[in-house]
Amino acid sequence: DQQVKQNSPSLSVQEGRISILNCDYTNSMFDYFLWYKKYPAEGPTFLISISSIKDKNEDGRFTVFLNKSAKHLSLHIVPSQPGDSAVYFCAAPTNFGNEKLTFGTGTRLTIIP
Amino acid sequence: DVKVTQSSRYLVKRTGEKVFLECVQDMDHENMFWYRQDPGLGLRLIYFSYDVKMKEKGDIPEGYSVSREKKERFSLILESASTNQTSMYLCASSPHRDSYNEQFFGPGTRLTVL
Repeated sequence: DQQVKQNSPSLSVQEGRISILNCDYTNSMFDYFLWYKKYPAEGPTFLISISSIKDKNEDGRFTVFLNKSAKHLSLHIVPSQPGDSAVYFCAAPTNFGNEKLTFGTGTRLTIIP
Repeated sequence: DVKVTQSSRYLVKRTGEKVFLECVQDMDHENMFWYRQDPGLGLRLIYFSYDVKMKEKGDIPEGYSVSREKKERFSLILESASTNQTSMYLCASSPHRDSYNEQFFGPGTRLTVL
């Protein structure tokens, strides 16, 4: 099974600077990772994903990097905006041929105007 | 537009009450999920269903049961609510069996058990 760890519970970044959120995983057999964003009192929404055939995926201000040898992925937001203040969860498939996802504990990002 | 709705945004119940949380998706998705979110613990899977009348336990099923009589509806039942079940409950759905799918979430139900 997969374990997903986000070791930083919170992060504060000045508006306009780069935000970097980190995530580590345990099982390198899986090849697909996702990031979700969650505002208070709302459900999480899908943000961006990456397949292990790539080491980078970009969507506007959001880029996810995958380092397979280190079993590490990171989400870069640049430039950071006040509306990016939210909790970010990384997720990975729980096991093979399976619809379930394992989520990290989340990182609360605060953008300081 | 993809839509997952949950029957209540906020709910207050007393210890020992039976509680029903309802979730409906309008996307004809095969998979439906119930999670709870607690500070510092992230999203934890309670139960999962991949078809009508089919269910599978998640990581924390104790004290909960589920029902899926129709494809679009997935209910979470707290047989006898306890204070440690105070939490944010999130329902999600995803399209297909046996594939890694993006999950679509409802807005959540904040349940308080007194």
